[in-house]
Amino acid sequence: NAGVTQTPKFQVLKTGQSMTLQCAQDMNHNSMYWYRQDPGMGLRLIYYSASEGTTDKGEVPNGYNVSRLNKREFSLRLESAAPSQTSVYFCASKPGLAPGRDTQYFGPGTRLTVL
Amino acid sequence: AQSVTQLGSHVSVSEGALVLLRCNYSSSVPPYLFWYVQYPNQGLQLLLKYTTGATLVKGINGFEAEFKKSETSFHLTKPSAHMSDAAEYFCAVRRPTGNQFYFGTGTSLTVIP
Repeated sequence: NAGVTQTPKFQVLKTGQSMTLQCAQDMNHNSMYWYRQDPGMGLRLIYYSASEGTTDKGEVPNGYNVSRLNKREFSLRLESAAPSQTSVYFCASKPGLAPGRDTQYFGPGTRLTVL
Repeated sequence: AQSVTQLGSHVSVSEGALVLLRCNYSSSVPPYLFWYVQYPNQGLQLLLKYTTGATLVKGINGFEAEFKKSETSFHLTKPSAHMSDAAEYFCAVRRPTGNQFYFGTGTSLTVIP
């Protein structure tokens, strides 16, 4: 069981370039999330997918798009990267909505720098 | 709207001393509450959570937290700090009927030998 995996681990982009961050989980979880972590700001939700086939905006969706490709995979795309998107990006998944299925499992993160 | 406040962005304790990390929430209904730990260059790991039932919850690594509805608080404690407890700690909330988690800004714990 690999849990939640993210690729790449590190990425440097120039302003205006595009890229896709990949996330996959092998725990058969229904819900998946993308967060960004910035110093002094904690984790902020970008987008989430409550179940396969659905996606919803979180607190900071501007400049991002997502795709829930299947139950396992949830990708985050930056169409035109900006320096303000320099951050550490975390993907997470959880089994479902009920309290007993509520634990989020996090990936190791992707460190993105936009020059 | 949900919000989470963690008082103290940096906390230092001596090894063997009590650890107390504070978390207060703002919510129209009592939310589900979580504490996560993040070690350097790693993702977050769940320490403990409160959903319903007993208000004192025990987690991994000797940590516990108490949900106090009257104070809208969910403070994290550990009786005796260990060097390995040095990490960043995040409090988070979720509405019982919602899917979004809201995180506090984090508290960095330093343990002094």
